Amino acid sequence: AQTVTQSQPEMSVQEAETVTLSCTYDTSESDYYLFWYKQPPSRQMILVIRQEAYKQQNATENRFSVNFQKAAKSFSLKISDSQLGDAAMYFCASRHAGGTSYGKLTFGQGTILTVHP
Amino acid sequence: GAVVSQHPSRVICKSGTSVKIECRSLDFQATTMFWYRQFPKQSLMLMATSNEGSKATYEQGVEKDKFLINHASLTLSTLTVTSAHPEDSSFYICSAADLRDYTVETQYFGPGTRLLVL
Repeated sequence: AQTVTQSQPEMSVQEAETVTLSCTYDTSESDYYLFWYKQPPSRQMILVIRQEAYKQQNATENRFSVNFQKAAKSFSLKISDSQLGDAAMYFCASRHAGGTSYGKLTFGQGTILTVHP
Repeated sequence: GAVVSQHPSRVICKSGTSVKIECRSLDFQATTMFWYRQFPKQSLMLMATSNEGSKATYEQGVEKDKFLINHASLTLSTLTVTSAHPEDSSFYICSAADLRDYTVETQYFGPGTRLLVL
C-alpha cells in the first residue's frame, strides 16, 4: 500500500515570492508516479506537475518545480513568483505503475495555500 | 487537454430517494473511471474503480449496495446513491483514464457534483 503525507495543513506566501509545499510518501513499489494537483475554490482538480520515479531529473512546469528525493521519499513543490491565482488547496499524490492497483491515486491530506497581495 | 464532464453539478434530494450522477469522457475513451468523495477542506477519498464492461471494485468500507456504479461504455460511468440519507451529503468527483495507452498516464477529473440530502 502507498501512503502520502502532507504535514502542512496551511501555508501562506506574499505575491511574487516563493513558497515550498512539503510531501513525503511511502511505497514498496520500485516504479511509480508522483503528482501535485491544485484544487481552487471551484473544486475542479487541476494537474500541476508530475514526476516519474525512474527519472532523476526534477520536473518543472513554468513557475512550478519539484524537489524529488527518492531515497528520502520526499516530493516537495516549489512555486516561484507566486500569483493570486495560485491560491488553492494543493494535493500531493502517488500512483502505482503496475499491478492490481494500477492507475489508483493515493492522495495526501492537502495544503491550503493563501497568497497575500 | 482531455475533458471530463459530470452531471448534475449539484443536486438536492429528499431522504430515502435515489440519485444518479453521470461521468462522461468527452474527447477520449476511458477504460477506467474512478469515483471519489470529498468532505469540505479534506482530501479525496477513493470510493471505487470502474472498468468498462466489468463490475466495479469498491474500496474497503464503501457499501456496494449503497453506491451502485455502472460503466457501460468507454465514455460513460454512473454512480447511483440509493436510498440517500443526510450523511451521504458530500462532494462527489469522478476521474477518467485510458489505461490501455501506457503513455497516457494522467487521470482527468470531472468538475464534481455536490449532493445535499434533506
